[in-house]
Amino acid sequence: SAVISQKPSRDICQRGTSLTIQCQVDSQVTMMFWYRQQPGQSLTLIATANQGSEATYESGFVIDKFPISRPNLTFSTLTVSNMSPEDSSIYLCSATGISNYGYTFGSGTRLTVV
Amino acid sequence: AQSVTQPDIHITVSEGASLELRCNYSYGATPYLFWYVQSPGQGLQLLLKYFSGDTLVQGIKGFEAEFKRSQSSFNLRKPSVHWSDAAEYFCAVGAGTASKLTFGTGTRLQVTL
Repeated sequence: SAVISQKPSRDICQRGTSLTIQCQVDSQVTMMFWYRQQPGQSLTLIATANQGSEATYESGFVIDKFPISRPNLTFSTLTVSNMSPEDSSIYLCSATGISNYGYTFGSGTRLTVV
Repeated sequence: AQSVTQPDIHITVSEGASLELRCNYSYGATPYLFWYVQSPGQGLQLLLKYFSGDTLVQGIKGFEAEFKRSQSSFNLRKPSVHWSDAAEYFCAVGAGTASKLTFGTGTRLQVTL
């Protein structure tokens, strides 16, 4: 099955700054997604990363706060902009379209905003 | 809109005992159903998935799940739990092979020795 490399694995950031998270898949995939997992909670979809076009955001998430890029079929980035302590979460990328119809997840980025 | 309910927030079982984690979904058509496990500080690992066919699905680590359309359920089972199974378990539903997943709130499994 495909493997997703996500980095950084963790970071501590100052409020007001931005962090870009990268996700690299080792094979071509159809769809890539970005999720947020707040402390002790489940996963919430932020957006679907579309190759070559603007991402599709879920209700409550906006492009200015979470800009996403997907320049090709195997790579995507999520930026968390103008961070506040409320943005402290685990951010995970996911990919599907793999032949066995599985959804693979990256190992996550644990973000702490101070 | 699709949704998933995991009624049990926290379950404690003794090592060697059987386990059943409940999952109920809401979706208008045939759902794509998944169970994932997340160990502390780790990402999500797929345990098993159901798309069609046999309603009893076998997964990794000795887990199985049964799809019951009449009950809108996809419960996860294991006949004998090991201490290493202690983790958070998430049920998820999707509309197709390339659609977004909606996750349940998770069930935290604790295993006592």
